[in-house]
Amino acid sequence: DAKTTQPPSMDCAEGRAANLPCNHSTISGNEYVYWYRQIHSQGPQYIIHGLKNNETNEMASLIITEDRKSSTLILPHATLRDTAVYYCIVRVMGQAGTALIFGKGTTLSVSS
Amino acid sequence: EAGVTQFPSHSVIEKGQTVTLRCDPISGHDNLYWYRRVMGKEIKFLLHFVKESKQDESGMPNNRFLAERTGGTYSTLKVQPAELEDSGVYFCASSQVPSENSPLHFGNGTRLTVT
Repeated sequence: DAKTTQPPSMDCAEGRAANLPCNHSTISGNEYVYWYRQIHSQGPQYIIHGLKNNETNEMASLIITEDRKSSTLILPHATLRDTAVYYCIVRVMGQAGTALIFGKGTTLSVSS
Repeated sequence: EAGVTQFPSHSVIEKGQTVTLRCDPISGHDNLYWYRRVMGKEIKFLLHFVKESKQDESGMPNNRFLAERTGGTYSTLKVQPAELEDSGVYFCASSQVPSENSPLHFGNGTRLTVT
């Protein structure tokens, strides 16, 4: 079973920041937080991951609370192409190649 | 670099027939995973290869499903005989070893319809 809780849906206006929350209150010290998204009819796409420090890449920023029990994915300037289902996943480190377990995710709708 | 490729992109077969799905991982990726999404449900893990060995096959639904990865390169997933409930999208993903936190890279899936 998925170990994260996400809102089922969110709306965002084009050009604004999209902030997607995730609760992972039972996360262990050896688990990373991963974010993926699935755009309709495509395979899941990796966005970003982190352990305890905030992370940023060309797609998004990941903010992890100090107690690591929740995190927020930030898309700084959402576009229509960011409309997708976003998945927050915790994954154990120290075990090479551990599979990802997907939950229901958050359906983000970006509108003009 | 080329991404994960899956073939065919779509397959329509009748109940009782056999179908074989193929996945070519990213070159150099020893980890290979199969997932599937049936209508209205979540993406479910099926199994995980490290090179040619099955590391975890706990998600395989039943013995009608057979996955192979001979030589540790591409993988096939055979469904024999197919049932109506096998319809869905089958995804393949790969990741590097020994980078234990390497993200999984997914293909665009094979949409299987069993009629």
